[in-house]
Amino acid sequence: DTGVSQDPRHKITKRGQNVTFRCDPISEHNRLYWYRQTLGQGPEFLTYFQNEAQLEKSRLLSDRFSAERPKGSFSTLEIQRTEQGDSAMYLCASSLGVRWDEQFFGPGTRLTVL
Amino acid sequence: RKEVEQDPGPFNVPEGATVAFNCTYSNSASQSFFWYRQDCRKEPKLLMSVYSSGNEDGRFTAQLNRASQYISLLIRDSKLSDSATYLCVVNIGAGNMLTFGGGTRLMVKP
Repeated sequence: DTGVSQDPRHKITKRGQNVTFRCDPISEHNRLYWYRQTLGQGPEFLTYFQNEAQLEKSRLLSDRFSAERPKGSFSTLEIQRTEQGDSAMYLCASSLGVRWDEQFFGPGTRLTVL
Repeated sequence: RKEVEQDPGPFNVPEGATVAFNCTYSNSASQSFFWYRQDCRKEPKLLMSVYSSGNEDGRFTAQLNRASQYISLLIRDSKLSDSATYLCVVNIGAGNMLTFGGGTRLMVKP
């Protein structure tokens, strides 16, 4: 499968714990995006990378959230001291990096914070 | 006010019907426009881009009115497989970050 992959697909954690998600983009895609989607809502932009550089962060990305893309390939999203409000689907997308090009989404990581 | 607004539906239509979805966006600096489709518990997938001149892809027609900041999607001859949530999406910045509407749910019934 050459699409965007995400791991894990599901994560259940207790409030206060730290969690880390991984995203593997389509190879040769320079841009990588993270979005968050809650039930009944559309995805909301969190952050994006051009190669290894993090170029934009949403105001939704509190200081408990950190994202990395150390070698310009896979990316990780870490949430520290999780809160119940963090429960959502975390979606990763990638694109070639050409202006207005299509973003391909991964299957998402569903986080439940108890 | 949300940046991209859609009627959440659901729209319940019989097979073969024509159905239209509308969407408004608030940022006049929006530069590109899309419709994505999302099946239940799946990731969004690009349905079609929306151009100022309007564009058609089979049974699907998308239109953009920049003056009114309004986007539409028309589905003709609805199929059961068209049942999904349709997300209106705009792109504002140079970084290609997408802003999604809340989605419109379509249910096509036999």
